[in-house]
Amino acid sequence: QQQVKQSPQSLIVQKGGISIINCAYENTAFDYFPWYQQFPGKGPALLIAIRPDVSEKKEGRFTISFNKSAKQFSLHIMDSQPGDSATYFCAASTTSGTYKYIFGTGTRLKVLA
Amino acid sequence: AAGVIQSPRHLIKEKRETATLKCYPIPRHDTVYWYQQGPGQDPQFLISFYEKMQSDKGSIPDRFSAQQFSDYHSELNMSSLELGDSALYFCASSPTRNTIYFGEGSWLTVV
Repeated sequence: QQQVKQSPQSLIVQKGGISIINCAYENTAFDYFPWYQQFPGKGPALLIAIRPDVSEKKEGRFTISFNKSAKQFSLHIMDSQPGDSATYFCAASTTSGTYKYIFGTGTRLKVLA
Repeated sequence: AAGVIQSPRHLIKEKRETATLKCYPIPRHDTVYWYQQGPGQDPQFLISFYEKMQSDKGSIPDRFSAQQFSDYHSELNMSSLELGDSALYFCASSPTRNTIYFGEGSWLTVV
């Protein structure tokens, strides 16, 4: 049972376009939602993260939108570049109880030059 | 800045052999995590340690064990290796209940 559902599985975007990746969760105890970027053969690297007390967080070209009532959050990559081509994972965790990340299934993004 | 250090980066073992992976967390991080990532899969949580004590256990096979030592480094021991154990194994560390930072991973190939 996938606790964090991520879509789409793969995404192709033209250079300069907007990439949008969506995640949904069930466990209302989750209170921290990071996004990780992973290049082939490398470890996941933190991109941006949000807590449920805000609905949006922006860092450079990356924006997280968070909808607490719908239990959904999404990553928007503005002005997508070929160097953004990677696999993106959303994750969720709870700061109460034992602390670990539950990852989504990943989205393979390809930005065409 | 110091990152999570994992060794070895690549390891090839035969079926039924034993493998040991090592992890050196970021200094002053008190929690260490082990994740397994199969080809094209998301990372799956195996086990974590907080202040050298096991704090949580995920989908870790009984053939695997791990521990965290007094210097905070951790080792993942895998015995009776199976072909299905071939994967990228990540160690990660974090300060208490905070952002988790991943190492570059150790590639295990079982032949």
